[in-house]
Amino acid sequence: DAGITQSPRYKITETGRQVTLMCHQTWSHSYMFWYRQDLGHGLRLIYYSAAADITDKGEVPDGYVVSRSKTENFPLTLESATRSQTSVYFCASSEALATLGQYFGPGTRLTVT
Amino acid sequence: DAKTTQPPSMDCAEGRAANLPCNHSTISGNEYVYWYRQIHSQGPQYIIHGLKNNETNEMASLIITEDRKSSTLILPHATLRDTAVYYCIVRVAKYSGAGSYQLTFGKGTKLSVIP
Repeated sequence: DAGITQSPRYKITETGRQVTLMCHQTWSHSYMFWYRQDLGHGLRLIYYSAAADITDKGEVPDGYVVSRSKTENFPLTLESATRSQTSVYFCASSEALATLGQYFGPGTRLTVT
Repeated sequence: DAKTTQPPSMDCAEGRAANLPCNHSTISGNEYVYWYRQIHSQGPQYIIHGLKNNETNEMASLIITEDRKSSTLILPHATLRDTAVYYCIVRVAKYSGAGSYQLTFGKGTKLSVIP
């Protein structure tokens, strides 16, 4: 199906474990983004990518790693999960830098125990 | 980016037009107005954006006042599925550092479509 998908949709993990959240888009959009959404903080940008092999930090990058070897995929890895990383994670993509909208995936609800 | 002000909540009867206002009195000439919505437990959804002309797409219409200090998102025939929180965002449409990509959602307007 065309669009942007995320997996898993729900994940429970323990403190200290490595977790990877997947994001896949079928539009061939150049730009991809990872956000986290927490009550009281709204959406916060973690990392973004302007193209394959080009990534950069957003507002809250600590504790996260990203890669983008293919245009359509943008995985987010929590190297050693902490309770403060319990959140809902959204991936988004956009065809253009800022003149067009960002299209969001359905989200991954991550709980770190 | 310019600050926006939206009413916290609105009701609309199903089948009627929903008109959601947004004030952005400090908007700059190079800033666009974007609208997104978030239905409960779903990802944010892009709706429409504009600079100074009115815009229409398959989802909604965007009316921007001539002085650009306010705008109105219009859902022409609201359905129950349009119940969501609607966010008005004003931001520049050019690269100006990493923050260019950041979408800053305020509190938005919770629209309830009533049967």
